[in-house]
Amino acid sequence: QKEVEQDPGPLSVPEGAIVSLNCTYSNSAFQYFMWYRQYSRKGPELLMYTYSSGNKEDGRFTAQVDKSSKYISLFIRDSQPSDSATYLCARGGGNNNDMRFGAGTRLTVKP
Amino acid sequence: DAMVIQNPRYQVTQFGKPVTLSCSQTLNHNVMYWYQQKSSQAPKLLFHYYDKDFNNEADTPDNFQSRRPNTSFCFLDIRSPGLGDAAMYLCATSRGRLSLADTQYFGPGTRLTVL
Repeated sequence: QKEVEQDPGPLSVPEGAIVSLNCTYSNSAFQYFMWYRQYSRKGPELLMYTYSSGNKEDGRFTAQVDKSSKYISLFIRDSQPSDSATYLCARGGGNNNDMRFGAGTRLTVKP
Repeated sequence: DAMVIQNPRYQVTQFGKPVTLSCSQTLNHNVMYWYQQKSSQAPKLLFHYYDKDFNNEADTPDNFQSRRPNTSFCFLDIRSPGLGDAAMYLCATSRGRLSLADTQYFGPGTRLTVL
């Protein structure tokens, strides 16, 4: 079993739609969860991170962690064509300074 | 301004011919990482340096080596590339340990093709 499982997509939505991206994780020892955005032929860039459970909002983006169900979500409101990218969830932390990524969901927002 | 720079952006090598990928950073970060990312797959951590302290992932093949001669530079050496090593190689840095939720900065990657 992979440590971080992510919906494979691809996902295609019309401009203005609310997007929901989801991941599950298996190791409850880790408490930091991140969402990265990766444009084509570019490296991932950190979008948001959350600690433990709860919500975190940044503009049109909301990250949510439910530790009881080991579920990580990213919501994008009023999606734009510029949001078209691959979104990677990740869990971080621990004494050995490692991170584990999900495989990524490719999102296309159509004008 | 580029903060994590990877050279070259595209690298073609022959089966079994050693190749070196380069990463440099202008952030003066303590930690540098190398990831391998294959198409439609998650980035897979190969190893990382915390300062000069080298940390190898248990499942990283011996074919992959790394050097960090100073704070700014880190190299990935693939001693005998196989067809299965064709991938995007990502370099990343962080100020400190990721358990502090420190931001990890990625370079643009080097896409390696093995003929």
